[in-house]
Amino acid sequence: NAGVTQTPKFQVLKTGQSMTLQCAQDMNHEYMSWYRQDPGMGLRLIHYSVGAGITDQGEVPNGYNVSRSTTEDFPLRLLSAAPSQTSVYFCASSPEKNTEAFFGQGTRLTVV
Amino acid sequence: SQKIEQNSEALNIQEGKTATLTCNYTNYSPAYLQWYRQDPGRGPVFLLLIRENEKEKRKERLKVTFDTTLKQSLFHITASQPADSATYLCAVLSAAGNKLTFGGGTRVLVKP
Repeated sequence: NAGVTQTPKFQVLKTGQSMTLQCAQDMNHEYMSWYRQDPGMGLRLIHYSVGAGITDQGEVPNGYNVSRSTTEDFPLRLLSAAPSQTSVYFCASSPEKNTEAFFGQGTRLTVV
Repeated sequence: SQKIEQNSEALNIQEGKTATLTCNYTNYSPAYLQWYRQDPGRGPVFLLLIRENEKEKRKERLKVTFDTTLKQSLFHITASQPADSATYLCAVLSAAGNKLTFGGGTRVLVKP
């Protein structure tokens, strides 16, 4: 049982490059979210989805796009990477509202 | 928006003692409050969820209390062990139950 799988685990980008962070879950969870974690800032919500075809913005959405074409996948796109997007990114899923979140192992992104 | 405050200073504690962590929230009283454990380089792992009408919740050596008057939750690790050393995160669910807001976490170091 894989749970929530994020790829890649590490990535270095140059300023202005684009890339997609992948997130997949095999638990048939409806809710999925993306967070970034910075030292001293805790986890901050970027975007979330309550089901296939439905996405919404979180606390820090600027510079990021998401889509949810299937229940399993929730990719996060950086259109033009900036050094301020250097962070550790976590994807999470939940079976329904008001329940626990299951997190992936994270993607450590460095933008130079 | 909801703000979650946790003590950013690390908590150093002797093995066998009880560790007590504090989580304060500043806005509305959430219906649900959660605690997670995070080890270095890993994603958070769910520990406990407590509802607003529950004063206390226990799971093995863990105990969580929820005081809506004080806008505070306390997290206790009894008979602490070196393996309990980690960062502990407090999180509250939005009123709609679809978004989590995290505190910055408190690092616990249990010394043998």
